[in-house]
Amino acid sequence: QAGLTQPPSVSKGLRQTATLTCTGNNNNVGYQGATWLQQHQGHPPKLLSHRNNNRPSGISERFSASRSGNTASLTITGLQPEDEADYYCSAWDSSLSAWVFGGGTKLTVL
Amino acid sequence: EVQLVESGGGLVQPGGSLRLSCTASGFTFSDYIMKWVRQAPGKGLEWVSDISGSGSTTFYADSVKGRFTISRDNAKSSLFLQMNSLKDEDTAVYFCARDLYTVWGQGTLVTVSS
Repeated sequence: QAGLTQPPSVSKGLRQTATLTCTGNNNNVGYQGATWLQQHQGHPPKLLSHRNNNRPSGISERFSASRSGNTASLTITGLQPEDEADYYCSAWDSSLSAWVFGGGTKLTVL
Repeated sequence: EVQLVESGGGLVQPGGSLRLSCTASGFTFSDYIMKWVRQAPGKGLEWVSDISGSGSTTFYADSVKGRFTISRDNAKSSLFLQMNSLKDEDTAVYFCARDLYTVWGQGTLVTVSS
């Protein structure tokens, strides 16, 4: 099943802002938006935002999600060392009747 | 506390079978869609399967369709994944997760190797 496209890596400085992107098509990201997950090495993923900026309780306001057409974005402001992790996007694909994932973006905080 | 705990992983030969379990607590299990997601060593996340709250509707990734079967026992707040005809490429940590990825278990490692 075709996946979503994410840049493999992004590097930003401490306290800077990082914007991660996730590109799909009309049947997935463009259909119901994207879900964003954060995963630290050796741990299960954690939900950051589902279907465009619906943040679960306990998730910092520094994480915000948006969508423009078939591209979803996750913006992380005021980068902290603990933000260094892998970030995945996922969306339900209405034509495949399947969830699709991006390959993940490794965020490095310099 | 809302919690998911997977079990049943292990080493199995190619062509073999394995049954994973996921026990839920802290929420009304039958109210939620449940899913399995896997992660091969050093790789990204891959969705495997979804099951509706009643168990009447299921979805599968093409990579496992016809080989894996998802099921649930709402009376026991348990989710299952029956994996048959296992291949080397099925080697991964298997996570169970609740509905829109809101809750995750710690995962159980499945290794397919001769």
